[in-house]
Amino acid sequence: AQKVTQAQTEISVVEKEDVTLDCVYETRDTTYYLFWYKQPPSGELVFLIRRNSFDEQNEISGRYSWNFQKSTSSFNFTITASQVVDSAVYFCALFYSSASKIIFGSGTRLSIRP
Amino acid sequence: NAGVTQTPKFRVLKTGQSMTLLCAQDMNHEYMYWYRQDPGMGLRLIHYSVGEGTTAKGEVPDGYNVSRLKKQNFLLGLESAAPSQTSVYFCASRNQDRGGSNQPQHFGDGTRLSIL
Repeated sequence: AQKVTQAQTEISVVEKEDVTLDCVYETRDTTYYLFWYKQPPSGELVFLIRRNSFDEQNEISGRYSWNFQKSTSSFNFTITASQVVDSAVYFCALFYSSASKIIFGSGTRLSIRP
Repeated sequence: NAGVTQTPKFRVLKTGQSMTLLCAQDMNHEYMYWYRQDPGMGLRLIHYSVGEGTTAKGEVPDGYNVSRLKKQNFLLGLESAAPSQTSVYFCASRNQDRGGSNQPQHFGDGTRLSIL
């Protein structure tokens, strides 16, 4: 089965704290892609990152970093020194090549308190 | 460059009415998608298209029809609206994969649809 699980429904932290959003996926495909999207209160969906299944190198982009571990089927997202503007719903997604489809997790609502 | 544009942004319908949501993209993308977003369920794929003149069913296609007569447009139709179709609808498009690299989806701003 192809599945994406974001077990954290809501997270609330105080500004400047670090926060990690978990994403666990299931797939039988050997070639797949993982994504993170951000949905701010305004509602639009913003692409953050894409990783393919053959590249387990972690990535850092400013305050954002991603930890991809195939051994645990996880693709976790960490925000360092969080800011109020990071408040949003974050979606993890899996694209599996066998069906050329993408499926989304249910999202994690992140609230950053001043 | 407008990207992906959805119209309308909001709509209220009565049960049994029909309507069409329009998605237009100006990036010459081959693939287009319609999703619905419901609380606690993430985004679910309704229908998608891999090119002009082609459509395919996604995860939750019942009660919806789509058409892709022009490459830049992907229409989502509700034949007879039901309260269960109250949702936020997102359209997305993406380029063909290149050199084994999967291209990310670009999303419209969403259409909030309420069925009374």
